[in-house]
Amino acid sequence: QLQLQESGPGLVKPSETLSLTCTVSGGSITTPNYYGGWIRQPPGQGLEWIGDISHSGSITYNPSLQSRVTISADTSKNQFSLKLNSVTAADTAVYYCARRGEGSGWSYADWGRGTLVTVSS
Amino acid sequence: DIHMTQSPSSVSASVGDTVTITCRASQDISSYLAWYQHKPGRAPKLLISVASNLQSGVPSRFSGRGSGTYFTLTISSLQPEDFATYYCQQVNTFPITFGQGTRLDIQ
Repeated sequence: QLQLQESGPGLVKPSETLSLTCTVSGGSITTPNYYGGWIRQPPGQGLEWIGDISHSGSITYNPSLQSRVTISADTSKNQFSLKLNSVTAADTAVYYCARRGEGSGWSYADWGRGTLVTVSS
Repeated sequence: DIHMTQSPSSVSASVGDTVTITCRASQDISSYLAWYQHKPGRAPKLLISVASNLQSGVPSRFSGRGSGTYFTLTISSLQPEDFATYYCQQVNTFPITFGQGTRLDIQ
């Protein structure tokens, strides 16, 4: 069974860089026709898509965050990562990694449990 | 960006009731519409993909319909575990976008 687990600091100072890693087990991030993605939910708000990385390394970002975000993958560790720079309090959120694929109509069928990242000095 | 509008934003219902949530897309998204159930402290759960395809393990009281710009999620015979927030999501066009959510409360 596929499992995803987010890891990274739970507290980041304003203007610094938020860094999270998603470790995937039970399946390879290079499996064709799958994407690893990051989604976040600020407190009391809805879900916001941050971006995707495909099995081949093709990356797409939400234009609203594109200037500050980097998604990458480490195939040797079966992980993909998120970096968000110049963070502010508005970036405080639960961050989820998830996987979508052709088998689920390109929707996110598998999710990590999420990790709360607080931006505060 | 494709804007997804859900209605209602919140609804109260009782166990055994039937509830329908609607989701409208600002542009044609064909059938690339998913529905998620989200409970506090848990990851969102994919219920329905491509507008009407029930995911494995999801009870048959959940059903989805629609195409183009108008979609519905119907939950029949509500059970206590169904009280949660529901989101629609379009995956037809980048950036992927979600509706604002519909909170389903126990009346």
